[in-house]
Amino acid sequence: DAGVIQSPRHEVTEMGQEVTLRCKLISGHNSLFWYRQTMMRGLELLIYFNNNVPIDDSGMPEDRFSAKMPNASFSTLKIQPSEPRDSAVYFCASSTGLVPDTQYFGPGTRLTVL
Amino acid sequence: QQQVKQSPQSLIVQKGGISIINCAYENTAFDYFPWYQQFPGKGPALLIAIRPDVSEKKEGRFTISFNKSAKQFSLHIMDSQPGDSATYFCAASLDNYGQNFVFGPGTRLSVLP
Repeated sequence: DAGVIQSPRHEVTEMGQEVTLRCKLISGHNSLFWYRQTMMRGLELLIYFNNNVPIDDSGMPEDRFSAKMPNASFSTLKIQPSEPRDSAVYFCASSTGLVPDTQYFGPGTRLTVL
Repeated sequence: QQQVKQSPQSLIVQKGGISIINCAYENTAFDYFPWYQQFPGKGPALLIAIRPDVSEKKEGRFTISFNKSAKQFSLHIMDSQPGDSATYFCAASLDNYGQNFVFGPGTRLSVLP
């Protein structure tokens, strides 16, 4: 299995631009999590989905952030407009949804907003 | 109450020594406690996990000790190796879905050769 796939791996953009991060779940998994990692705040859960339905989006910083699961195996996280404080590594993780659960993390997307 | 506290922030250990990382939580509803290991440039990966019905779990050189009454748990790495140098995160989740993890801030471990 290829594991969780994220793209792009690195993204450099200018303030005000739209950024779209992509994630492909492991085949057979039905839960998807988006995290943001920074030195200051550590690993923060932004949103998670179960069976394509958003379960908890309380970690989404503000309306500039949105996430979707257009199908069972794919998700996007969009930032519009981007700001320098959005610079971080964004991880997605997938899991089977069984209890107890194991989340499998992707390699991350390093986002730099200038 | 949803926080997980973790210490130390960084740890330096000689090769062959024991590395100990401690975590504490407040929410007694947490029912699953995994540890994740993260190497630079990689995503976190599950290392070992424990449920509160046992006080200790061992997998190879890695051991979790769990103290339910104190609401504390710790990771012990025996015979630490330079390849163990990474950032370690403890986490906790509620049992209803076992999905919504709260992560500790992480401990950066350096094992000197």
